Amino acid sequence: DQQVKQNSPSLSVQEGRISILNCDYTNSMFDYFLWYKKYPAEGPTFLISISSIKDKNEDGRFTVFLNKSAKHLSLHIVPSQPGDSAVYFCAASASGSSNTGKLIFGQGTTLQVKP
Amino acid sequence: GAGVSQSPSNKVTEKGKDVELRCDPISGHTALYWYRQSLGQGLEFLIYFQGNSAPDKSGLPSDRFSAERTGGSVSTLTIQRTQQEDSAVYLCASSLSIIQPQHFGDGTRLSIL
Repeated sequence: DQQVKQNSPSLSVQEGRISILNCDYTNSMFDYFLWYKKYPAEGPTFLISISSIKDKNEDGRFTVFLNKSAKHLSLHIVPSQPGDSAVYFCAASASGSSNTGKLIFGQGTTLQVKP
Repeated sequence: GAGVSQSPSNKVTEKGKDVELRCDPISGHTALYWYRQSLGQGLEFLIYFQGNSAPDKSGLPSDRFSAERTGGSVSTLTIQRTQQEDSAVYLCASSLSIIQPQHFGDGTRLSIL
C-alpha cells in the first residue's frame, strides 16, 4: 500500500520557468511533510518542510503548498535553474504517542531543467 | 560542519555472506534512522534509534537484519546470510529530534552476487 504517491516519474521544464512537482498521500494521520532533492550517488538533501497547521511555506525559490482536504502537496520552484535537475522525493510522517519521526517516501520525480 | 558519514560507500559480496554497514551521525543528533532504496523505488524505512529508548525495528524486512547504536552515536546495520534481493542503497539519516528534518549520508551501495 503506497501511502505517499508521486504520480509523475519525470518532468521537463525550460530554464527560468516554474517547476511544479506533485505529491498525494492517503494516511490522514500524516501531519509533517518534507521535500528532498537527490543527485546520483549522493544522499537526499533536505529542501523544505511544512506542518499540517500551515498551507504554505516559502524558502527562496522553493514554495510548498499543502491541501489537507485533498491530501495533496506540491513543490513550486521559481525560477527553475539547470542545477535544479535532480530527483525530488516527497516524504511524510505522523505525530502521536508512538511517533518515531520515521518518514514515508514517495517514489520520486526526476526533474530536468533545460537551458 | 561534518555531515552524516557512511562506510563503506560500496560493498560487493557473495550471496550467503554477512555484511556490516556503518553510520556516523551528525554530532549532537539524538535520532538516527536507517532506510534503503531499491532500484527505481523510493526510500523504505528500516529502523530508528532515539537516545536510550528501545529502537523501532518495525521496518526491518526479516530477522536476518539487525542494527545497534553504541554510546548513542555510531550505528551499524548487519545483514546476515545475504540474499540477492538485499541489493540496494542503504541510507542513514540523523536529526536533532523527531520533529526536525532528517539529514542523510551518501549511502552504502550493496551488491549481492
